[in-house]
Amino acid sequence: DTGVSQDPRHKITKRGQNVTFRCDPISEHNRLYWYRQTLGQGPEFLTYFQNEAQLEKSRLLSDRFSAERPKGSFSTLEIQRTEQGDSAMYLCASSLARSASGKGGGLSYEQYFGPGTRLTVT
Amino acid sequence: GNSVTQMEGPVTLSEEAFLTINCTYTATGYPSLFWYVQYPGEGLQLLLKATKADDKGSNKGFEATYRKETTSFHLEKGSVQVSDSAVYFCALSPYNFNKFYFGSGTKLNVKP
Repeated sequence: DTGVSQDPRHKITKRGQNVTFRCDPISEHNRLYWYRQTLGQGPEFLTYFQNEAQLEKSRLLSDRFSAERPKGSFSTLEIQRTEQGDSAMYLCASSLARSASGKGGGLSYEQYFGPGTRLTVT
Repeated sequence: GNSVTQMEGPVTLSEEAFLTINCTYTATGYPSLFWYVQYPGEGLQLLLKATKADDKGSNKGFEATYRKETTSFHLEKGSVQVSDSAVYFCALSPYNFNKFYFGSGTKLNVKP
C-alpha cells in the first residue's frame, strides 16, 4: 500500500492558463474524491467517483473545472482559464466501499488523503 | 443541511497538559464522525472515527465520543506532547459516505 499520490505537488501558473492535476488512489479503492482547501479552512468537497462514474459534483465546481477517472483507477482534475481565486490546495482522497463488520451494521468508508497539489495563479 | 463547527485556534499548551478541542455538528440522518490531523507539510491523516451514537473513537492517546444528544464529538488527550503540534479537523460523513464535511481546523501548538 503506497498511499494516495498526487502530481504535481506545486503548480504556479498565469491567469488564463489551463492546468491539469493527477491523482493515483490506493490501488484497491473504488471511490475517489476531490476537495479544495484554502488557507485557514477545512477541505471543501468538489466531486467524487465510484469506479469510473462521476456520481456527484459540488456547486463549487464551475464549468471551468472538469474531472475524469476513465478506467476507474487514476483521476485528473483540469481547470480551464484559471483565475486568481482558484489558488488553493487541491486534495485527492480514496476509499473502499465496504460494509462494517460486527454488530451495528452500517457502512464504513474511511477516506485516505494524498499530499495535495498547491496551485498558485499569478 | 450538514455542517461542522470547531473551536477556533490556535490552542497553545505546555507539554503534558490536558487537551480538549470542541466540535459540534449539524446533520441530516445519522452521520459518521471523524477527526483528521494534518502535520506541517503533510497530508490529512485519519486520527479516529465513530460511526454511531455513544461510540468512542481512540488512537494514539486521543479520544472522542459521539454524543447525539449534544451533537458533539470533542477531541481529548490526557497529556499532550510536542509531537502532537498540528492542525486538527473534525469531519462528518452522511450515511452514504458520498463526501466529508470538514470544520475549519484547530491549530495546536505544544511547547516543551
